[in-house]
Amino acid sequence: DTGVSQNPRHKITKRGQNVTFRCDPISEHNRLYWYRQTLGQGPEFLTYFQNEAQLEKSRLLSDRFSAERPKGSFSTLEIQRTEQGDSAMYLCASSLEGSGVKFTPLHFGNGTRLTVT
Amino acid sequence: RKEVEQDPGPFNVPEGATVAFNCTYSNSASQSFFWYRQDCRKEPKLLMSVYSSGNEDGRFTAQLNRASQYISLLIRDSKLSDSATYLCVVNYNYGQNFVFGPGTRLSVLP
Repeated sequence: DTGVSQNPRHKITKRGQNVTFRCDPISEHNRLYWYRQTLGQGPEFLTYFQNEAQLEKSRLLSDRFSAERPKGSFSTLEIQRTEQGDSAMYLCASSLEGSGVKFTPLHFGNGTRLTVT
Repeated sequence: RKEVEQDPGPFNVPEGATVAFNCTYSNSASQSFFWYRQDCRKEPKLLMSVYSSGNEDGRFTAQLNRASQYISLLIRDSKLSDSATYLCVVNYNYGQNFVFGPGTRLSVLP
């Protein structure tokens, strides 16, 4: 399977604990995005990487959230001191920037569902 | 005002009906537009890109009106399998920023 891969699929944690999610994008894609989605809402942008560089972070991304893409391949999203409001589906997507202004649409992984108790 | 707004829904239609969804966006610098489909508890999947001249893919037709900052999706002869949430997506800054609408839920009834 050469699609976007995320793990774990589900994570239940107690408030105050730290959690880390992993995303493996489509191998040739140089852009990687993290989104968060709650029930009845569309995905909300969190952060975006072009290769290993984190180019943009949403105001939604508090200091407790950190994302890395150290070698420009897989990415991790860490949430420290989780709160109940962090419960959501965390979606990773990738795309390919081509020459000039060409790019592909987003391809999503199947998400990590976080429940904070 | 949200950057991307959609019909609130839900839309409940019988099989075979034609249904249209509307989407408006506020950023006039938006460059590319897409419709995604999302099944319950699944990831969004690309349904179709939206081109300036309008485009059709089988039973699905997408239209773009840049002057009014408006996008539409028409589904003809709806099937039970079309039941899903339809997300309008707007892109600007040459692929760097993808903004999603809240989605419109469609239920096609037998």
